Amino acid sequence: EVQLVESGGGLVQPGGSLRLSCVASGFTYRSYTMNWVRQAPGRGLEWIAYFSGGPGAMLHADSVKGRFTVSRDNAGNSLHLQMNSLRVEDTAVYYCARSYCSGATCYNTFDIWGQGTMVTVSS
Amino acid sequence: DIQMTQSPSTLSASVGDRVTITCRASQSVSNWLAWFQQTPGKAPKFLIYKASNLESGVPSRFSGSGFGTEFTLTISGLQPDDFGTYYCQQFNDFPWTFGQGTKVEIK
Repeated sequence: EVQLVESGGGLVQPGGSLRLSCVASGFTYRSYTMNWVRQAPGRGLEWIAYFSGGPGAMLHADSVKGRFTVSRDNAGNSLHLQMNSLRVEDTAVYYCARSYCSGATCYNTFDIWGQGTMVTVSS
Repeated sequence: DIQMTQSPSTLSASVGDRVTITCRASQSVSNWLAWFQQTPGKAPKFLIYKASNLESGVPSRFSGSGFGTEFTLTISGLQPDDFGTYYCQQFNDFPWTFGQGTKVEIK
């Protein structure tokens, strides 16, 4: 079964740090681009970070650039998000999501999602 | 950034109804558009990609259409499992952006 399982969420004070992890199973992880997408309480979805398969390119949304860093460990089938200088507005459920691939072509949309991990930034 | 605007924000419908949701992009995204369904407390579910292609396992009562800046998601014969919030997402241009969502409620 194709699966993504996130962990690492919790309560942190403004200015603090947290590291999220996502472990993948059921597919050839190293071949896929992986992403983080977040959803603030009662709000919509926001893509925030991308790490490609293969060449290892990283992208971050402007809202987190310079504060969050995405990384991956292909040997461990895992994706990580190091979150520094956290703000109240970073409070959200953070989802790990796989980019959709059809044959050898991959697209920047998301076919497999984890269950999410909640991050609360509050004093 | 490309802004995605969905309408309506909320709609009430009955089981068996035909439902249409519209998604408009602030500039052309060609056919690089996806649709997702989300139920409370759950992760989004991938329904449609490239505007009109149904993901494997998604019931055929779901269909998508459109190109450029205007897109629709249609559910032909609403079922109890179809209630929830639907999101469109463009993947033509970085950063990839979502609509604000359309909540489909039981009438």
